[in-house]
Amino acid sequence: ELKVEQNPLFLSMQEGKNYTIYCNYSTTSDRLYWYRQDPGKSLESLFVLLSNGAVKQEGRLMASLDTKARLSTLHITAAVHDLSATYFCAVDIHTRGGSNYKLTFGKGTLLTVNP
Amino acid sequence: NAGVMQNPRHLVRRRGQEARLRCSPMKGHSHVYWYRQLPEEGLKFMVYLQKENIIDESGMPKERFSAEFPKEGPSILRIQQVVRGDSAAYFCASAPSLVSNEQFFGPGTRLTVL
Repeated sequence: ELKVEQNPLFLSMQEGKNYTIYCNYSTTSDRLYWYRQDPGKSLESLFVLLSNGAVKQEGRLMASLDTKARLSTLHITAAVHDLSATYFCAVDIHTRGGSNYKLTFGKGTLLTVNP
Repeated sequence: NAGVMQNPRHLVRRRGQEARLRCSPMKGHSHVYWYRQLPEEGLKFMVYLQKENIIDESGMPKERFSAEFPKEGPSILRIQQVVRGDSAAYFCASAPSLVSNEQFFGPGTRLTVL
């Protein structure tokens, strides 16, 4: 059974600081996703990482993937209050026929950025 | 192009009643997935459907839960005889194909069982 672990689960940081959220998964996967969820809202797709060494950046967020270590990171640079949300990583696995679906999610990291 | 639509957005039921949750995928998407999110948890896969077919229901509880995606109309997640433990947010996602990079999520239905 695929397991996806995020840490930390809670992160309180000050504006202007940098921090990294880690996502470890337990079995081979081709794709890793990062989502953002605001309270009471749906999931907003942030990044899709498709290959080893992939790095993507959008604004103050940068995500990377190391498939050999089964590790993805989400790095926050110079945090601002608007980044406060819960961040999820998710992984999908090969199933019959080589198809991927069935996302397995981490428990999420609740990020609070304080002024 | 409208996104994934779910209704109702909020649903309150008493124990023993039935809950019906609806999901209309994005235009051109024929693959639908249902996930459940319990408080303070990540999303858990429930079922994957294509038009008129259930492909994988390995995440569905064995009793009281069923799902369908008819040829015409939205996908329906049905929960019979709801219990308090069914209270959660239920999200639907759709994708255009099996090998699509991404699933697009709807706004969710928040079910409260009194």
